[in-house]
Amino acid sequence: GEDVEQSLFLSVREGDSSVINCTYTDSSSTYLYWYKQEPGAGLQLLTYIFSNMDMKQDQRLTVLLNKKDKHLSLRIADTQTGDSAIYFCAERTNDYKLSFGAGTTVTVRA
Amino acid sequence: ETGVTQTPRHLVMGMTNKKSLKCEQHLGHNAMYWYKQSAKKPLELMFVYSLEERVENNSVPSRFSPECPNSSHLFLHLHTLQPEDSALYLCASSQDDGSLEQFFGPGTRLTVL
Repeated sequence: GEDVEQSLFLSVREGDSSVINCTYTDSSSTYLYWYKQEPGAGLQLLTYIFSNMDMKQDQRLTVLLNKKDKHLSLRIADTQTGDSAIYFCAERTNDYKLSFGAGTTVTVRA
Repeated sequence: ETGVTQTPRHLVMGMTNKKSLKCEQHLGHNAMYWYKQSAKKPLELMFVYSLEERVENNSVPSRFSPECPNSSHLFLHLHTLQPEDSALYLCASSQDDGSLEQFFGPGTRLTVL
């Protein structure tokens, strides 16, 4: 199957770390992605990880991949109000098709 | 600003109307996509075009009709829609249909009365 699941909501205090989790079912996934959607906007690619890697860091973002458990996470360090958005996990299983989760709405409170 | 524009941004239509959504990309890409985003549901891939040829039709009802006249433009023609078709329709493009990254437009918020 190609199901991608993620929790729907996350509330975090400004300055804390956010961790958004995702699970997927297709073991043939080649790349896994995190997209961000701000209100009234389309999806913006944040980062992606190749399936033979287990970690990728890019400034405040850290992606962890546990291929055995088919678990992907996105950690945002020092969360800011501008990080409030919907975050989508996606997996790529063939040349062009992305399977997305339903998105996690992250709310940053002061 | 991703280089992918969509018009209109909002559309309200009755079930008997015919309307079209437009997508334009200014990135020189060869592949374009239509997605449907419903609240709290995964994005659904609807159609994929590569070099102006349709390469994917993901079991979409015939009341949605795509058109790709050239590699920069993609349309979604709508007719006889149902209220459950109300959603955000996102267009995306990528260099080729095998490219790693897809660039998304802001979407058209469609409401069917």
